[in-house]
Amino acid sequence: AQSVTQLGSHVSVSEGALVLLRCNYSSSVPPYLFWYVQYPNQGLQLLLKYTTGATLVKGINGFEAEFKKSETSFHLTKPSAHMSDAAEYFCAVSDGSGTASKLTFGTGTRLQVTL
Amino acid sequence: DSGVTQTPKHLITATGQRVTLRCSPRSGDLSVYWYQQSLDQGLQFLIHYYNGEERAKGNILERFSAQQFPDLHSELNLSSLELGDSALYFCASSYESSYNEQFFGPGTRLTVL
Repeated sequence: AQSVTQLGSHVSVSEGALVLLRCNYSSSVPPYLFWYVQYPNQGLQLLLKYTTGATLVKGINGFEAEFKKSETSFHLTKPSAHMSDAAEYFCAVSDGSGTASKLTFGTGTRLQVTL
Repeated sequence: DSGVTQTPKHLITATGQRVTLRCSPRSGDLSVYWYQQSLDQGLQFLIHYYNGEERAKGNILERFSAQQFPDLHSELNLSSLELGDSALYFCASSYESSYNEQFFGPGTRLTVL
């Protein structure tokens, strides 16, 4: 069984500060990992994904994440927060089992950006 | 805009009733997934269809059922509704292989009174 743990249900940063959202996963097979963002009253939008290959993954809106197998982590970072980054962020894992896979989500981290 | 459409956007109904949520996947996508998002359970996978066939079931209640039609749109049927079924229901689609990301629709907010 797979699982995702997101440390910190709420994170607050100042505009221009570093954003770090933590995600640890558990998977019995090589995982595929995703970060999604959800703005109020909207669906989920993919920020970035890791499947195989380069462990540092760049996504949209200046976000990136690094897959660290030894630490079973996939933390999301952004060098400089912007007010428009305020949203809820979800880390998810897929077992990659062909056409019968599903996403297992973490509980989400709400990012607040202050002036 | 993800290209995934869901109707209706909002649904308010009473306990004991039955509702149908509809999802149209992105053009060319063969897989449709349904998820439920609630405050107490978070985002939970319900069911996955691939090209008309059920492929995986998650935490889906027996009162809930789904199908995917030949044109690849999908419907999620919720019956004997309870207050606790109030939630956001998302549909997502992907092309085929699991490593392809899932594209989410805007969701249907169901309120059971």
